[in-house]
Amino acid sequence: EDQVTQSPEALRLQEGESSSLNCSYTVSGLRGLFWYRQDPGKGPEFLFTLYSAGEEKEKERLKATLTKKESFLHITAPKPEDSATYLCAVLTGANSKLTFGKGITLSVRP
Amino acid sequence: GAVVSQHPSWVICKSGTSVKIECRSLDFQATTMFWYRQFPKQSLMLMATSNEGSKATYEQGVEKDKFLINHASLTLSTLTVTSAHPEDSSFYICSARTLADKETQYFGPGTRLLVL
Repeated sequence: EDQVTQSPEALRLQEGESSSLNCSYTVSGLRGLFWYRQDPGKGPEFLFTLYSAGEEKEKERLKATLTKKESFLHITAPKPEDSATYLCAVLTGANSKLTFGKGITLSVRP
Repeated sequence: GAVVSQHPSWVICKSGTSVKIECRSLDFQATTMFWYRQFPKQSLMLMATSNEGSKATYEQGVEKDKFLINHASLTLSTLTVTSAHPEDSSFYICSARTLADKETQYFGPGTRLLVL
């Protein structure tokens, strides 16, 4: 069974304090790893897709990386508006199912 | 691009009634849409995969007679919660894939259902 574990469960940062969010996975046949941002009471917003180990993608203050066992979402000099829950999901199998982790709730204090 | 809408955004209903939730892809066609359920402080759980013009595929443990899914066009899928009970109260979210990118799912804003 595919498993996705995100850590820490919650993270509180000071504005400007860079950090990383971790997503470890155990799957058979990874087709892609996705990062989403979810604000309270809203649907997930797509951030990145990573397909192979060593791949990196960047968007503003966010950078996602992928290894064979885990992915990191690095946040550089975060701002309060980066506060949200960040979800990691893996795509496996021929039927293209997404399996989500429980998410990491990030809070950035001004 | 890749905008998905849901209607209504929230609904309150009495126990025993049925509720229909619409999911629309606004600027693209989607042969496949997905329905998820999310409980507070929990992650998204896939309920079913909806394919245009064919029957939906339900995940294990999801009652197909209770959660009716119809995907009648390339831009619209509906989820009907029949004979709703308080335990059906949850946040329902749909997603869709574009024809060009068969990997990435774009999510709607969600529908909050409260059954009294």
